[in-house]
Amino acid sequence: SAVISQKPSRDICQRGTSLTIQCQVDSQVTMMFWYRQQPGQSLTLIATANQGSEATYESGFVIDKFPISRPNLTFSTLTVSNMSPEDSSIYLCSATQGWKEKLFFGSGTQLSVL
Amino acid sequence: SQQGEEDPQALSIQEGENATMNCSYKTSINNLQWYRQNSGRGLVHLILIRSNEREKHSGRLRVTLDTSKKSSSLLITASRAADTASYFCATEWDSSYKLIFGSGTRLLVRP
Repeated sequence: SAVISQKPSRDICQRGTSLTIQCQVDSQVTMMFWYRQQPGQSLTLIATANQGSEATYESGFVIDKFPISRPNLTFSTLTVSNMSPEDSSIYLCSATQGWKEKLFFGSGTQLSVL
Repeated sequence: SQQGEEDPQALSIQEGENATMNCSYKTSINNLQWYRQNSGRGLVHLILIRSNEREKHSGRLRVTLDTSKKSSSLLITASRAADTASYFCATEWDSSYKLIFGSGTRLLVRP
C-alpha cells in the first residue's frame, strides 16, 4: 500500500494569484494523477503526472493553467495559476502501484478563491 | 461525459438496514472499483472486481458485476452510522490506464 501526503489541506486565495499543491508518496508508485472535485460533484481527471516529462492533460485542462511537475517517482506538484472563483474545488492527488489497479488518494486540498 | 452513472444519487437508511447502490458504465472494462469518500476528503478504495468475476465479498461489503448489462452493485449489510459517506464506482476510460469516476451516491445512515 501507499500513503500519500498532500499539502496544503486547504487555502483561501485571491483572484489572479497561483497556488502550488504538493503530493508526496511514501513508496514508489507507477503512476500519479491529479483530480478535481467541484462542490457536490464527482471527480474529474485533470492530468497524468509523468516522471521527468510533461504531464498528459485531459480535455478541458491545459498546461498554462495547471502546470504539473513530477521530478521523481514519489513526488508531484500541481499549480493552479491565475485563479478565479471558478477554480474553487477540492484537488486530489492519487497514485497507483500497478497497471489498472486501485488508486491511493491524498486527503485533498480544499481551495477557495475570492 | 462520465463513464459511470450511479443511482440512487442519495440514500437515507436506518442503522442496521442494508444499503444498495448501483453503477452503470458504457464501455468494456478489465475491472470495476468502488471507493468511499468521507466529508469531501480523500477517497478510500473499498473493493475491486475483475471482469471475469461476478461477485465479491469483503467484510460487510458485497459487490456484483454484470458485464452483459454493464452494471455493478454495492451492498453494505448491517449499516452503521460510520458508513455515512459518498460512494463512487470507477472504471477505465477507453481501455486506458485512467480511472473515471461515477456520479456517486450519498449515503446517510441514521443512528
